[in-house]
Amino acid sequence: AQSVAQPEDQVNVAEGNPLTVKCTYSVSGNPYLFWYVQYPNRGLQFLLKYITGDNLVKGSYGFEAEFNKSQTSFHLKKPSALVSDSALYFCAVLYSGAGSYQLTFGKGTKLSVIP
Amino acid sequence: DGGITQSPKYLFRKEGQNVTLSCEQNLNHDAMYWYRQDPGQGLRLIYYSQIVNDFQKGDIAEGYSVSREKKESFPLTVTSAQKNPTAFYLCASSQNGNTEAFFGQGTRLTVV
Repeated sequence: AQSVAQPEDQVNVAEGNPLTVKCTYSVSGNPYLFWYVQYPNRGLQFLLKYITGDNLVKGSYGFEAEFNKSQTSFHLKKPSALVSDSALYFCAVLYSGAGSYQLTFGKGTKLSVIP
Repeated sequence: DGGITQSPKYLFRKEGQNVTLSCEQNLNHDAMYWYRQDPGQGLRLIYYSQIVNDFQKGDIAEGYSVSREKKESFPLTVTSAQKNPTAFYLCASSQNGNTEAFFGQGTRLTVV
């Protein structure tokens, strides 16, 4: 079965510093990996995805993620954090089986960017 | 505007009542999903549908029911059998199931 782990419930970073939100996954076959962001009382917004190709994926709002197959990781990064980046971040893996697809999410990491 | 619309945004239910949450999309997506979100637990899949008139149970389907009579609509009914229904419910859709999903703004259900 597929699974996603986000080992940190919360990450604090000073404004202007680089940020990393960690994600590891477990899935049979080639992974389809995603990052989403959620602001309070709102739905999830898609940030970026890895399907195949270059291990460094660039997405919305200056975010990027690095796919590492040997470490089964897909960490989200940004070179310089903004206060407006403070939100809840979810990593997800797409699983296909028996002709259907399921998207499995991690438990989320709360990012706080301190002015 | 293209997107996914969930209604209502807030919903209150008395114990023992069934209640239906609406989800409509005009993105022409084949796949639709319902998730439940509780604090500290991330998103858990309730039901999903890859095509019209077909749907499958997710990880926590007990106490819920769905229908997919039209491509654009995927309503979720929270029945009285659901013991702890207070939660934030999110609907999503994707083009064909193997691409990124797009989410509605959610419905917060509270049992009073």
